[in-house]
Amino acid sequence: DAGITQSPRHKVTETGTPVTLRCHQTENHRYMYWYRQDPGHGLRLIHYSYGVKDTDKGEVSDGYSVSRSKTEDFLLTLESATSSQTSVYFCAISGFPGEQYFGPGTRLTVT
Amino acid sequence: GESVGLHLPTLSVQEGDNSIINCAYSNSASDYFIWYKQESGKGPQFIIDIRSNMDKRQGQRVTVLLNKTVKHLSLQIAATQPGDSAVYFCAEFLGRQGGSEKLVFGKGTKLTVNP
Repeated sequence: DAGITQSPRHKVTETGTPVTLRCHQTENHRYMYWYRQDPGHGLRLIHYSYGVKDTDKGEVSDGYSVSRSKTEDFLLTLESATSSQTSVYFCAISGFPGEQYFGPGTRLTVT
Repeated sequence: GESVGLHLPTLSVQEGDNSIINCAYSNSASDYFIWYKQESGKGPQFIIDIRSNMDKRQGQRVTVLLNKTVKHLSLQIAATQPGDSAVYFCAEFLGRQGGSEKLVFGKGTKLTVNP
């Protein structure tokens, strides 16, 4: 998985609780991304980062926030989890434009 | 608008046969295209890419063909093996501007290889 780990791999949480997912890379790549993958929608970009403390929104950013205090870590926070945020979340890194490598994913269930 | 889609949602082949997975795109302004393979329970895995100034690119058992005239992309897998069973999807790279990298993903074709 190109030196990318995600934690936790699986999580069940209740509606209204905050949740933080972690992405860790060992490739020292500048660009990092958070996607969600849902049936019928494919991969959709939530947030991305182009450097330490440099982040921006993707196409489905509502209800999510991110932080990147170190090159190797990119955190995704669901401020108040809702059932619509039940999904599989993937982190990706990119060293070369367009060439993204994905982590193993986190399966999140919001009950 | 821009879209990246696949002609067939499922494809079933016999082991040893060649597989062809298709992808249509609508945006002419792209730098290149990427094919990903996603096995059940895993993240997408980069297979091969092709630049917009190329028509064909070959890898190990895989070939990508790009027809810009009809905006069509295909992935050919030679001598398909059971380990090739997965969802394959294409992605269209529209460029990197500042901090934004525009990568548009298709929804995928599920390839099943029968022994």
